[in-house]
Amino acid sequence: AQSVTQFDSQVPVFEEAPVELRCNYSSSVSVYLFWYVQYPNQGLQLLLKYLSGSTLVESINGFEAEFNKSQTSFHLRKPSVHISDTAEYFCAVSDGSSGGSNYKLTFGKGTLLTVNP
Amino acid sequence: DTGVSQNPRHKITKRGQNVTFRCDPISEHNRLYWYRQTLGQGPEFLTYFQNEAQLEKSRLLSDRFSAERPKGSFSTLEIQRTEQGDSAMYLCASSPLNRGSGANVLTFGAGSRLTVL
Repeated sequence: AQSVTQFDSQVPVFEEAPVELRCNYSSSVSVYLFWYVQYPNQGLQLLLKYLSGSTLVESINGFEAEFNKSQTSFHLRKPSVHISDTAEYFCAVSDGSSGGSNYKLTFGKGTLLTVNP
Repeated sequence: DTGVSQNPRHKITKRGQNVTFRCDPISEHNRLYWYRQTLGQGPEFLTYFQNEAQLEKSRLLSDRFSAERPKGSFSTLEIQRTEQGDSAMYLCASSPLNRGSGANVLTFGAGSRLTVL
C-alpha cells in the first residue's frame, strides 16, 4: 500500500516570497510522483510530474519539485509566488514498478496555499 | 476536445433518494476513474474502467454505489438510498491506455458536488 503525507494543511505567504510545500510518501515499490493544483470551484490540474530521468522537474509557471528517493520526498517549491498561485495543492503517488501499466493515484490531504498582498 | 466533462455540477437531494452522475472522458482515453473528495481531504479512489470493463472497485464503494461505462465511452455513477455521509465532490478522470508517460497522467473533470440533506 502507498501513502502520502502533506504535513501542512495551510501555508500563508506574502506575494513575491518563496514557498515550499512538503510531501513525503511511503511505498514498497518504485513510484511515479505528481503535484496537482485545485483552484476554487475547479477540478484538479496537473502541475508537474516525476516519472523517470532527472529528479528535478519544473512546471511552466515557475514551480519545481525534486524527487529525493533516500528521503522519500517530493517537495514543491517556487522562489517567488503571485496572488494567482492561491489554491490547494495535492501531492500524489502511483505505482511505478510495472512500467506504466498501473494507474491508481493515492493523494495526500492537500495544502492550501494562500498568497497575501 | 473540451476535456473531461461532468454533469451535473451540483446536486442537492434528500436522504434516501437516488442520484446519478455522468462523466464524459476525453474521447481517445481508454481509462476512466472515479474519485471522491470530502472537505479537508484529498481525492480517494473509488473505481476504474478500462474501456467498458470495470477492473477495480475500492472498499469505499459500498453496495449502494454502482458505476457503469457502456460501450467504453461515457460513465455513470449511481448512488442509491443516499445518506448524509455521501455528501462529497465526485471527481471523474481519464487517461490514455498506451504505455509511456501519458498513461499515468490523469486528466480530471471539474467534479459533481453532492449535498445530501
